[in-house]
Amino acid sequence: GAGVSQTPSNKVTEKGKYVELRCDPISGHTALYWYRQSLGQGPEFLIYFQGTGAADDSGLPNDRFFAVRPEGSVSTLKIQRTERGDSAVYLCASSRQGGVETQYFGPGTRLLVL
Amino acid sequence: SQQGEEDPQALSIQEGENATMNCSYKTSINNLQWYRQNSGRGLVHLILIRSNEREKHSGRLRVTLDTSKKSSSLLITASRAADTASYFCATDASGGSNYKLTFGKGTLLTVNP
Repeated sequence: GAGVSQTPSNKVTEKGKYVELRCDPISGHTALYWYRQSLGQGPEFLIYFQGTGAADDSGLPNDRFFAVRPEGSVSTLKIQRTERGDSAVYLCASSRQGGVETQYFGPGTRLLVL
Repeated sequence: SQQGEEDPQALSIQEGENATMNCSYKTSINNLQWYRQNSGRGLVHLILIRSNEREKHSGRLRVTLDTSKKSSSLLITASRAADTASYFCATDASGGSNYKLTFGKGTLLTVNP
């Protein structure tokens, strides 16, 4: 079956603009995660969804970042008033359930804020 | 903040040689996982070792875990050029937040043909 997909693959925007990043998890996976990876670093946790609800959003850096998963499948990460420091690869992962489960990652969206 | 630290930061070997990467972490864990990442994009899950396990094998991969030293190692035997990638260890904290993976900075492995 299909893996986790993310669109767009690359996104270039200007400082101050609004962006949306989309994640399609593996079908049937109830848990969905967003991570952010800066150059030369490992991924850092942003937010975890169990079904439609955000079970843990403690990794979101500030209130410019918001994520939704309205039907418990596709998720959108939204960034308002983008800043140059938001430039990174945004990775989405899903797992069958939450807890101790293998997380399957998508290819990521590379965001560049000019 | 990063929980784990991989060592070395970069490793270059010849095809056919073995590659060993180490990971140290700070807090108590439930499990430790190793992931591979090609060209800075999606991560591929390699192996999971639970805190009550000491060693695990999967194909050419061998992982060890020493919870007393809070460290793990990943051994890739008979390396191939296709093994060239960054390798990350990831831990999940013991307690309620075991869904949250904390990654190290990774080891960049280059296997020369």
